[in-house]
Amino acid sequence: ETGVTQSPTHLIKTRGQQVTLRCSSQSGHNTVSWYQQALGQGPQFIFQYYREEENGRGNFPPRFSGLQFPNYSSELNVNALELDDSALYLCASSDGTGYEQYFGPGTRLTVT
Amino acid sequence: AQSVTQLDSQVPVFEEAPVELRCNYSSSVSVYLFWYVQYPNQGLQLLLKYLSGSTLVKGINGFEAEFNKSQTSFHLRKPSVHISDTAEYFCALDTGGFKTIFGAGTRLFVKA
Repeated sequence: ETGVTQSPTHLIKTRGQQVTLRCSSQSGHNTVSWYQQALGQGPQFIFQYYREEENGRGNFPPRFSGLQFPNYSSELNVNALELDDSALYLCASSDGTGYEQYFGPGTRLTVT
Repeated sequence: AQSVTQLDSQVPVFEEAPVELRCNYSSSVSVYLFWYVQYPNQGLQLLLKYLSGSTLVKGINGFEAEFNKSQTSFHLRKPSVHISDTAEYFCALDTGGFKTIFGAGTRLFVKA
């Protein structure tokens, strides 16, 4: 059974640029959630996708957007990057039952 | 609105000593509660969860937690810690919707 994978591992971008982060969910999981974890803080919920539809969203501006594909993998897109977007971005997948989420190792984004 | 408060940002403890990491929550509806562990440069791993039933929940690596509805607490305990338990620990809640709310984390540092 393959776990949740994320790419890239690290990324450095300049303020104003756009970035795409990728996540492959665990086999059999149809739900993907994205979180932003700033340094020294807990993860903050960005949004969730269930069967290719956005299922809920946290307090993040519209420049944070996402997609989920038919194989349930997912992308997080961030436009017009700001310095405060520097963080670890975590993807978590679940099967929609039991409330147990499986997290990937994260993508460390640095905005300069 | 729901919230999670982890009462200690850092907990230093000697190896083989017991430890308690404290978590309080606030919610006007029923909650599901979780503890996750995050090792350096890794994603989050589920330690244990409370969904319903017995208020004493046992998890992996010898950890356990007790759900106390009257105190709105979900403290994590381990009777004897090891050096390898050094990590960041996050308490989280879910109300059955799409969003998981995390606390700010407690850094457990186990000293030899």
